[in-house]
Amino acid sequence: EVQLVESGGGLVKPGGSLRLSCTASGFTFSNAWMTWVRQAPGKGLEWVGRIKSKDDDGTTDYAAPVKGRFTTSRDDSKNTLYLQMNGLKTEDTAVYYCTTDRPGGELLYYWGQGTLVTVSS
Amino acid sequence: QSVLTQPPSASGTPGQRVTISCSGSTSNIGSNYVYWYQQLPGTAPKLLICRNDQRPSGVPDRFSGSKSGTSASLAISGLRTEDEADYYCAAWDDSLYVFGTGTKVTVL
Repeated sequence: EVQLVESGGGLVKPGGSLRLSCTASGFTFSNAWMTWVRQAPGKGLEWVGRIKSKDDDGTTDYAAPVKGRFTTSRDDSKNTLYLQMNGLKTEDTAVYYCTTDRPGGELLYYWGQGTLVTVSS
Repeated sequence: QSVLTQPPSASGTPGQRVTISCSGSTSNIGSNYVYWYQQLPGTAPKLLICRNDQRPSGVPDRFSGSKSGTSASLAISGLRTEDEADYYCAAWDDSLYVFGTGTKVTVL
């Protein structure tokens, strides 16, 4: 059974930093392209960024609102995905989900339960 | 701000057919597959439709997707109370994945 478990959320002041983790199990993590999606309270879904598998060059892409401030990385030896968030703004307040695809073109099929990040003074 | 536009709400009575539209452009829907996600209250999203009109295993055939040009639609036939949720379309736009603005479906 595929499981994605996010952790690391919490309250942080504007301008601060936070690192989220997503621990994966039930599939070959090293082969997976991993994605972060967020959802501000009462708002819609927003794609944050993605990291490809190392076999597919391991490159990353980010949405414009977080580019230059957020960095996603992976440790395949630990089956763990990370999201380093720097220069946090109040508008970054959201539930952050870790998600991945199922083979056969089923994009963002598996989702974690999400972790809440609150940016407030 | 999302580049995929959906109506904020849709509703129907049990058994009715409800359709949700998703309007994009040539850089997203016009040149890539469309995906649909269902989000029940308080839960993570669930993939409902992939590659325009394909249902992942376990998704009831009451849900169907279609695409024409730079627009797409999700239809729910035989509406049930458990279909009350938020629905989002999504597509690739260059190397970025964009979600629609979301539609809240209410079962009257």
